[in-house]
Amino acid sequence: DMKVTQMPRYLIKRMGENVLLECGQDMSHETMYWYRQDPGLGLQLIYISYDVDSNSEGDIPKGYRVSRKKREHFSLILDSAKTNQTSVYFCASSPPTANSDYTFGSGTRLLVI
Amino acid sequence: GDSVTQTEGPVTVSESESLIINCTYSATSIAYPNLFWYVRYPGEGLQLLLKVITAGQKGSSRGFEATYNKETTSFHLQKASVQESDSAVYYCALVSGSFNKLTFGAGTRLAVCP
Repeated sequence: DMKVTQMPRYLIKRMGENVLLECGQDMSHETMYWYRQDPGLGLQLIYISYDVDSNSEGDIPKGYRVSRKKREHFSLILDSAKTNQTSVYFCASSPPTANSDYTFGSGTRLLVI
Repeated sequence: GDSVTQTEGPVTVSESESLIINCTYSATSIAYPNLFWYVRYPGEGLQLLLKVITAGQKGSSRGFEATYNKETTSFHLQKASVQESDSAVYYCALVSGSFNKLTFGAGTRLAVCP
């Protein structure tokens, strides 16, 4: 069963704490993505990973970093979380070819207080 | 940069009524981007509903359809008769350039009343 799994589903953190969001996929897709979604806005791309240790900034990378040490696993890290990072975070994966379909995870809802 | 604008939600319709969710796009890096509709049901991730990669073509899935209109740069989503199970958030999106990066609209929440 092809899927992208995100953990945790819900998370509450205090401002200044570190946050780790995890994403796994079982399709051996080379490319993985982290997006965030806020009310009234489309999903905004934070980072793209083209394969292990091959990561590029997306449109809104400030305040985030990522780690990809295994092809099937892609982490999003918030060092010293801020209240404006409260959002729903989606991970996705796709084959590397153009026009490939994405497979999305169910999202992690993060609240920073 | 690229952008997608779609009907602002929420949209509420009664079961068996027709539906149209408007989507217009602007792609700066390519003349004819690939166009998509994704759907997110409650508690689930986004799923691909339909896609069209050739201007002038129509895509369809689960009773929904959308036509790629390059003259009006639009990709409106339509369904003749909605069901309560169609209640979800619908996202219009495009891919342009070589990195398979999706640009999304803000999403349209659809509520279908029985």
